[in-house]
Amino acid sequence: NAGVMQNPRHLVRRRGQEARLRCSPMKGHSHVYWYRQLPEEGLKFMVYLQKENIIDESGMPKERFSAEFPKEGPSILRIQQVVRGDSAAYFCASSFPGGLNNEQFFGPGTRLTVL
Amino acid sequence: QKEVEQNSGPLSVPEGAIASLNCTYSDRGSQSFFWYRQYSGKSPELIMFIYSNGDKEDGRFTAQLNKASQYVSLLIRDSQPSDSATYLCAVSQTSYDKVIFGPGTSLSVIP
Repeated sequence: NAGVMQNPRHLVRRRGQEARLRCSPMKGHSHVYWYRQLPEEGLKFMVYLQKENIIDESGMPKERFSAEFPKEGPSILRIQQVVRGDSAAYFCASSFPGGLNNEQFFGPGTRLTVL
Repeated sequence: QKEVEQNSGPLSVPEGAIASLNCTYSDRGSQSFFWYRQYSGKSPELIMFIYSNGDKEDGRFTAQLNKASQYVSLLIRDSQPSDSATYLCAVSQTSYDKVIFGPGTSLSVIP
């Protein structure tokens, strides 16, 4: 499967626990984006990363949320001390840099439920 | 002012008709424009992109861009029930910039 991979697909956490969401981009893609989608709402940009660099984190909440994309391994979105309002679908997308366009291809998403 | 706006719908069209989905954006510096389809409970799927003024056709889909009016649209000809989904308009300034999504328009094609 050469597509964007995310795991886990479903994650249940209790309030106060940590959630770790992983994303492996498509082969050859070096840009990763994280989005959050609340029920019945649109996609909200969170963060844009390249290998070992955060390019744009303007959509990330100031507290409890962090993201990384290490030189080796998947990109990780970490949510510390989760609250019920964090329940949402979290999508990762990847793109190939350069050219006129910036087509992003999405993974299947991680559905986070906070009890 | 929202950066990318779409009518939320739902937009209902009969099978075989043309569905017209509209999108406006606020940043005049935007260069790339995308249409994604999202089925309920699934991830967005890229169906079209356009970056030049005018029309771009791909099968039953036609994307139209008017940068002067800051307007982009998607036409779906011969609509099928399988086209029933939410359609997301997305805009990017450059190939190295983040993509901003609109809230989506829900389309329902009635058999």
